[in-house]
Amino acid sequence: KNQVEQSPQSLIILEGKNCTLQCNYTVSPFSNLRWYKQDTGRGPVSLTIMTFSENTKSNGRYTATLDADTKQSSLHITASQLSDSASYICVVISQTSYDKVIFGPGTSLSVIP
Amino acid sequence: GAGVSQSPRYKVTKRGQDVALRCDPISGHVSLYWYRQALGQGPEFLTYFNYEAQQDKSGLPNDRFSAERPEGSISTLTIQRTEQRDSAMYRCASSRDNTGELFFGEGSRLTVL
Repeated sequence: KNQVEQSPQSLIILEGKNCTLQCNYTVSPFSNLRWYKQDTGRGPVSLTIMTFSENTKSNGRYTATLDADTKQSSLHITASQLSDSASYICVVISQTSYDKVIFGPGTSLSVIP
Repeated sequence: GAGVSQSPRYKVTKRGQDVALRCDPISGHVSLYWYRQALGQGPEFLTYFNYEAQQDKSGLPNDRFSAERPEGSISTLTIQRTEQRDSAMYRCASSRDNTGELFFGEGSRLTVL
């Protein structure tokens, strides 16, 4: 069964600190993996898209890594800001004759002053 | 349009009534996805279209749920004989093609009394 798991389920960190969110998947065949940020009450917004051949990709203070062999991805946030408080959702696209979107459950991040 | 537009934004209905939720994707986007999200939970995939063809409806919970995209643009998600457990945020996303970035709408919040 195609699954995407994320850890931790929730996280609280102090402003200015770094954190890393994890995503493990069993999706096959794999097309690409995406990290989204979802502010409370809003739709998800894309942070990164990673294909099979990409190991790391940065978007400002966000850096995503992908290990396609172990089927693991991480999202590292540096120098956290209060505005980083949101849910971070890992989404894996499975490639067949069409693409299937499998969502992870999300990690709820709270950045406190 | 400039973004993915969904209507209605809020819908309150009595148990047993039918509801229709509309998604207007970004102009020219081939792929359209429906998913729902319970409060505090990650998104749950419902169904997916490429043009007017419904490629995957495995995420639809039961036969009360159906979706269509007759002209390959606007899509309608219909829930018949609504039940309280159907209450959730229903979101739509579109992408330029089956590998492109997903753009999410603001969602339709359904409350079944």
